Amino acid sequence: GQNIDQPTEMTATEGAIVQINCTYQTSGFNGLFWYQQHAGEAPTFLSYNVLDGLEEKGRFSSFLSRSKGYSYLLLKELQMKDSASYLCAVRGPGNQFYFGTGTSLTVIP
Amino acid sequence: DSGVTQTPKHLITATGQRVTLRCSPRSGDLSVYWYQQSLDQGLQFLIQYYNGEERAKGNILERFSAQQFPDLHSELNLSSLELGDSALYFCASSGALAGGYEQYFGPGTRLTVT
Repeated sequence: GQNIDQPTEMTATEGAIVQINCTYQTSGFNGLFWYQQHAGEAPTFLSYNVLDGLEEKGRFSSFLSRSKGYSYLLLKELQMKDSASYLCAVRGPGNQFYFGTGTSLTVIP
Repeated sequence: DSGVTQTPKHLITATGQRVTLRCSPRSGDLSVYWYQQSLDQGLQFLIQYYNGEERAKGNILERFSAQQFPDLHSELNLSSLELGDSALYFCASSGALAGGYEQYFGPGTRLTVT
């Protein structure tokens, strides 16, 4: 089966850096995605990794290690508007998507 | 605004009924994805279509079906509705068949089954 694990909740301070981890177990791997979802809104795409390494996109970076089944999303210079749920998703066998339950990030002043 | 439209925004119906949710992808996008998001199960991938053909199938119940039309809009049909089908249904679109291309999500249809 497929299994995606990420912490349920995290709290961080405005201006700081936070790292949200995601571990996965899939029988096939076709890429890992991170999405941001504000309460009551649709998810928005943040990043995609299919090869090992770091992808940087402004204040957000995402890292992947396929051998360890591990990814993280790094958010720098946190802003209050970054308070949201962050979803890790893996595209697995048959190109299906498997989502973690999401990490609810609260940014405090 | 992602450019993906979904109708209706809200739908309230009774158990045993059948409903159709509609999605129009962003202009030029050939792939459409359907997702279900409920409080207890998180976001679940249902199905993907590419240029009218089914390309990937996830946890879609047999009571549910979908199709993508020649104009690329898609419909998700839910039949014999149960209380547990109450959820937010999202449609997303992308320009690529597979791989790491950005998916743009519509605002969702909130379905309440009573």
